[in-house]
Amino acid sequence: EIVLTQSPGTLSLSPGERATLSCRASQSVGSDYLAWFQQKPGQAPRLLMYAASRRAAGIPDRFSGSGSGTHFNLTISRLEPEDFAVYYCQQYVSSHGTFGQGTKVEIK
Amino acid sequence: QLQLQESGPRLVRPSETLSLTCTVSGGSISSSNYYWGWIRQPPGKRLEWVASIYYSGTTYYNPSLKSRTTISVETSKNQFSLKVNSMTAADTAFYYCARGILTVSRSFGWFDPWGQGTLVTVSS
Repeated sequence: EIVLTQSPGTLSLSPGERATLSCRASQSVGSDYLAWFQQKPGQAPRLLMYAASRRAAGIPDRFSGSGSGTHFNLTISRLEPEDFAVYYCQQYVSSHGTFGQGTKVEIK
Repeated sequence: QLQLQESGPRLVRPSETLSLTCTVSGGSISSSNYYWGWIRQPPGKRLEWVASIYYSGTTYYNPSLKSRTTISVETSKNQFSLKVNSMTAADTAFYYCARGILTVSRSFGWFDPWGQGTLVTVSS
């Protein structure tokens, strides 16, 4: 099983600041087999990125993804009030897809 | 716009079987471009993939749950279902159904969209 480790656990930032979230895999997931999700309290996860760097439909361009192999990043260029949430990465290189433990982006 | 809705009991007794159904609306469950899956999330913990199924009936299970889990599809009703046997407190979680996107190489991809989720509590 591929284990995904996200860091930091919590990111305390102010609106307008830049957020950089990290997702590390225990083995390579290539360059196309990683997704990012946003989850707000009481809501289902919402797809942000797939294939590491492709934005899902309707996702603002302040969200960007990068990385390959075992190290991936999600960057939010300027935090908007609605961006404060928990973010998860997911690998799907294997039929047994796994998720990271999440990074909470909170208002400082 | 595709929507998914979970239905089933909110409370299950220990050792009993959980049965959940996901109703798909706004699109066909029989599309060859997608697969369908269940994902769960114990409160405060990470998401865990449970099982997936193609409309043809081909199934895939999380090895840690395979012995207790059955996923099935009923194309005539545009639904797919999950059964988990021998439920324990460790199975208390939000259960989500979701559509899976096949990659260009026709392998499993990401999940989008998701149902709103249902909290299932295991307690006597």
